[in-house]
Amino acid sequence: QLRLQESGSGLVKPSQTLSLTCAVSGGSISSGGYSWSWIRQPPGKGLEWIGYIYHSGSSYYNPSLESRVTMSVDRSKNQFSLELSSVTAADTALYYCARTRRELFDCWGQGTLVTVSS
Amino acid sequence: DIVMTQSPDSLAVSLGERATINCKSSQSVLSSSNNKNCLAWYHQKPGQPPKLLIYWASTRESGVPDRFSGSGSGTDFTLTISSLQAEDVAVYYCQQYYSTPLTFGGGTKVEIK
Repeated sequence: QLRLQESGSGLVKPSQTLSLTCAVSGGSISSGGYSWSWIRQPPGKGLEWIGYIYHSGSSYYNPSLESRVTMSVDRSKNQFSLELSSVTAADTALYYCARTRRELFDCWGQGTLVTVSS
Repeated sequence: DIVMTQSPDSLAVSLGERATINCKSSQSVLSSSNNKNCLAWYHQKPGQPPKLLIYWASTRESGVPDRFSGSGSGTDFTLTISSLQAEDVAVYYCQQYYSTPLTFGGGTKVEIK
């Protein structure tokens, strides 16, 4: 059974870079037909798609965040990562990673809370 | 960006009764390549990540109970829970995948009356 698990910095200072990793188990990140997404949810609010990346490394980001987002994939470790630079309090959120099938999110991690505060 | 608007924001339904949630997109999400609507529904139970329920507006994901059904086309869509169960208490989201950026509705909270 596929499992995704987020990990990374839970507290980030304003203007610094948020870094998260999603470890994939029970399946290969190189499986054809899938991309791998990051989605975030500010406390008590709705969902915002950040972007996705393929195992090849090609990626697409939400234009609203594109200037600050970098995603990468490590096939040898079966994981993918998110970096978000120049963070502010508005970036405080629960960050989810998800397997993406035809731009549908069919398997999600449990999420990791990132707080931006000095 | 395609803006997704859900209504109502919340609703309370008695156990065994029908719950109906609406979702409207700012432009049509009907794909000309396959004549299918690029609209999905998820629910998010407290403390859990969202779970995919329905895609192509009306196709249930594997394992989803048949009390969940989706309908609609173009810009107007509906999720119906035919007989509300206690385990259906959640926030429900629609999502369009017609174009990037992928966008979600604001959510509808379903509670037991």
